[in-house]
Amino acid sequence: DTGVSQNPRHKITKRGQNVTFRCDPISEHNRLYWYRQTLGQGPEFLTYFQNEAQLEKSRLLSDRFSAERPKGSFSTLEIQRTEQGDSAMYLCASSPPGLTVGDTQYFGPGTRLTVL
Amino acid sequence: AQKVTQAQTEISVVEKEDVTLDCVYETRDTTYYLFWYKQPPSGELVFLIRRNSFDEQNEISGRYSWNFQKSTSSFNFTITASQVVDSAVYFCALSEDQAGTALIFGKGTTLSVSS
Repeated sequence: DTGVSQNPRHKITKRGQNVTFRCDPISEHNRLYWYRQTLGQGPEFLTYFQNEAQLEKSRLLSDRFSAERPKGSFSTLEIQRTEQGDSAMYLCASSPPGLTVGDTQYFGPGTRLTVL
Repeated sequence: AQKVTQAQTEISVVEKEDVTLDCVYETRDTTYYLFWYKQPPSGELVFLIRRNSFDEQNEISGRYSWNFQKSTSSFNFTITASQVVDSAVYFCALSEDQAGTALIFGKGTTLSVSS
């Protein structure tokens, strides 16, 4: 299997612009997660999809953030009206069907966002 | 509340030294899962191990070993005979007994192995 892929790997934008990131999970993985990681910190959960349904959202996911997984395959994370505080690494992870709890999440390489 | 504490921010060792990375967790659940991930400079989190709360057996995989002790809520990770390629940030994480639950990460320990 190929791993989780994310595009772009790096994004530099100006404050106020919108950005969109894409995540392609490992094939046949029906669960998909988004995390955000700032410098010197561990990843923090943003949202979770099972197939195309968004089942959990963290309070970190403000109204400016929206995530979709329209056909239960790839997912997009959009940030509107970016702020400098949005600068971070955005990580995507996926996990296979089967176990319903405690499933191992496999991470992609991340998209590093810099907001100027 | 759930929490993972990795008290060691940075550790520096010389090749061939053994090193232990500490992880202490807090949870109210009786069923939970613990993980270790490695994040090399390239940035991608690499899965190392998953352990459920009912399995307290220590595990060894090559130069890596893990010591899970429920009595002290710890899940420590030891690298034997460290190598330069072990240099990375290591994260301990907790997931609770809910479908689709998020992983709760510690702040990580940066391990530097010099030759």
